Amino acid sequence: AQTVTQSQPEMSVQEAETVTLSCTYDTSENNYYLFWYKQPPSRQMILVIRQEAYKQQNATENRFSVNFQKAAKSFSLKISDSQLGDTAMYFCAFMKHRGGGADGLTFGKGTHLIIQP
Amino acid sequence: SAVISQKPSRDICQRGTSLTIQCQVDSQVTMMFWYRQQPGQSLTLIATANQGSEATYESGFVIDKFPISRPNLTFSTLTVSNMSPEDSSIYLCSVVTENTEAFFGQGTRLTVV
Repeated sequence: AQTVTQSQPEMSVQEAETVTLSCTYDTSENNYYLFWYKQPPSRQMILVIRQEAYKQQNATENRFSVNFQKAAKSFSLKISDSQLGDTAMYFCAFMKHRGGGADGLTFGKGTHLIIQP
Repeated sequence: SAVISQKPSRDICQRGTSLTIQCQVDSQVTMMFWYRQQPGQSLTLIATANQGSEATYESGFVIDKFPISRPNLTFSTLTVSNMSPEDSSIYLCSVVTENTEAFFGQGTRLTVV
């Protein structure tokens, strides 16, 4: 079974600063995907970024980027030029990939990110 | 991407009753899942909704309590049966596309009184 650990229950930064959310995971699988989701108070789960384990290049999406360290089983999210709208819960998630489909996601406990004006 | 419509968005139910949640996707998808998010907690996988066969349940979840239907590749339902206050949670459906991206419906906030 997989486990996902987010060790920062809450973080607070000033607007326009850069913030890094940490995530580590434990698995014996070699073929998997990692995700970061944002959940604002509306409770909608919004896909922020996805990383394929077999790709060494770190994924980026505009102001969001990851630092994927496969050997260390680490998958941190960096948010650059943070904005007030980035305030939300952020969840790290793991998905095992298998032939013909995928398993469901295993989530970390989340990090509550607060962007201060 | 995939657009997922989930309803109802919220409901308040009496204990002992059942609620059926619907999930409609705008395209055919093979992989569809149901999750529970208890108050202040993370998401936990309930089951995989399999088209044309019985759902695959995770440890701690049983078919009698959470029956799931998946009649086709765009639709699924989750029923929360014989509800108690402990079932008060947000229930979310999710799909995984061919690009291996996982998208979620907007969730159903259930309160059992």
